[in-house]
Amino acid sequence: AQKITQTQPGMFVQEKEAVTLDCTYDTSDQSYGLFWYKQPSSGEMIFLIYQGSYDEQNATEGRYSLNFQKARKSANLVISASQLGDSAMYFCARVGGGTSYGKLTFGQGTILTVHP
Amino acid sequence: EAGVVQSPRYKIIEKKQPVAFWCNPISGHNTLYWYRQNLGQGPELLIRYENEEAVDDSQLPKDRFSAERLKGVDSTLKIQPAELGDSAVYLCASSLTLLGARAFEAFFGQGTRLTVV
Repeated sequence: AQKITQTQPGMFVQEKEAVTLDCTYDTSDQSYGLFWYKQPSSGEMIFLIYQGSYDEQNATEGRYSLNFQKARKSANLVISASQLGDSAMYFCARVGGGTSYGKLTFGQGTILTVHP
Repeated sequence: EAGVVQSPRYKIIEKKQPVAFWCNPISGHNTLYWYRQNLGQGPELLIRYENEEAVDDSQLPKDRFSAERLKGVDSTLKIQPAELGDSAVYLCASSLTLLGARAFEAFFGQGTRLTVV
């Protein structure tokens, strides 16, 4: 199975500081996409950011940026200037081509807690 | 624009009873997913539809789970009979599958939290 690994079960950060959430992935696909989703305690999955495997520049969406290192197969999420409302579960996910075309596979998640 | 709508939000049933979940995807989205999320874990795909066709149901426990997507729009997921281990959140998502940037970006409903007692 082409796995997504998030090695940090929980992370803590002080309000207004930056935090990096780690994600590594397995794939044999040439073309694939990487996503980060946020899941607050209310349960909905909120799209944050996307990186395509052929994108040469790291994706950014407001305070979110994705540190994409293709050779290392890592796609870490960086949240700058953390806010209390950022406290949630964060999931890294991959969609691939080939036999897994269109299949969105998730990691186990990282719980982020932002302290005031 | 309305998002993905799921109902019910919560369901408590006794084991061995049947249960059904309903999902209305975003208008025009051709791809629909059902995921199961156990507590503290990431969502796991149960089934994926492209229009009316189930293109990936390899992780759907077919002895007790069934799904359908009528006319390529709404979908229902059924469990019969339910077991204690089926307690989880069932998430529906939809996407407009296009080539190019952000293909397969999935939009999720709020989920149905199932408790089997």
